Amino acid sequence: QVQLQESGPGLVKPSQTLSLTCNVSGGSVNTGSYYWSWIRQPAGQGLEWIGRVYISGQTTYNPSLTSRVSMSIDTSKNHFSLELTSVTAADSAVYYCARTVLGLFHMDVWGEGTTVTVSS
Amino acid sequence: DILLTQSPSSLSASVGDRVSITCRASQRIANLLVWYQQRPGKAPKVLISGASSLQSGVPSRFSGSGSGTDFNLTISSLHPEDFATYFCQQGYSSPTTFGQGTRLEIK
Repeated sequence: QVQLQESGPGLVKPSQTLSLTCNVSGGSVNTGSYYWSWIRQPAGQGLEWIGRVYISGQTTYNPSLTSRVSMSIDTSKNHFSLELTSVTAADSAVYYCARTVLGLFHMDVWGEGTTVTVSS
Repeated sequence: DILLTQSPSSLSASVGDRVSITCRASQRIANLLVWYQQRPGKAPKVLISGASSLQSGVPSRFSGSGSGTDFNLTISSLHPEDFATYFCQQGYSSPTTFGQGTRLEIK
C-alpha cells in the first residue's frame, strides 16, 4: 500500500525558506489518478491546505500563500516537494503531505506529518 | 473561499451513545464534502467522501448525509477509539477548505 513520508529541517530561521520533501513508497507518483498535496496544522488549530501538484507539473496553490509557495514533483525520485519562502513564526506548524483523489478531492493517504518551527 | 462551520465545536458523550456532527457550507457545494477523523498526534484519516460514501475499512457505525449546504456525520454507537477530533472538508472549489473541527470527548 502507498505510504508517504515527509522529510526536512525541523527548525527554520525567520525570513528563510522552508523546504520539505514527501517520499512516496509502495506506489508511484507517476499516475494521472491523483494530485499530491501539502496541508499544514498549527499547534492546537485546524487544517490549512497549502496546495497541490499534478504529475504534469501543474500546480494549484492557496491564494493566501501563492506569493511564497512553490511545489514540484520528481518522478525519477518518486517524491514531491514544497518550498515556502520568507517564513515567519506564523508558519510554524505540522506539515503533512497527502495523496488527493482526482474529481472527489479527498485526501486518502497522508504522511505522518513533520513539525516545523520558525525561530531564530 | 468557502467557509465551513462545524457544530458543535466540542461534544461530550459516552461509549454506546449516538452522536451527530453538523457541517454547514457558506455556499452550495453539491455533495463534495469529506469527513476526517484525527486522533491526537496523528494525521487525519478519511472516513467519508462524496458526503455519504464510506471509505474502505471504515466501520459501518459511521455514516454521512446531506447535500448543498448542510451535512451531517453520525456515529451510531460510540466505541472508545472514536473519541477524537472530526473535520469536514469541501472539494467543490479551490482553495479546498476545512471546518474548524469538532472535538469528541468522553463524558
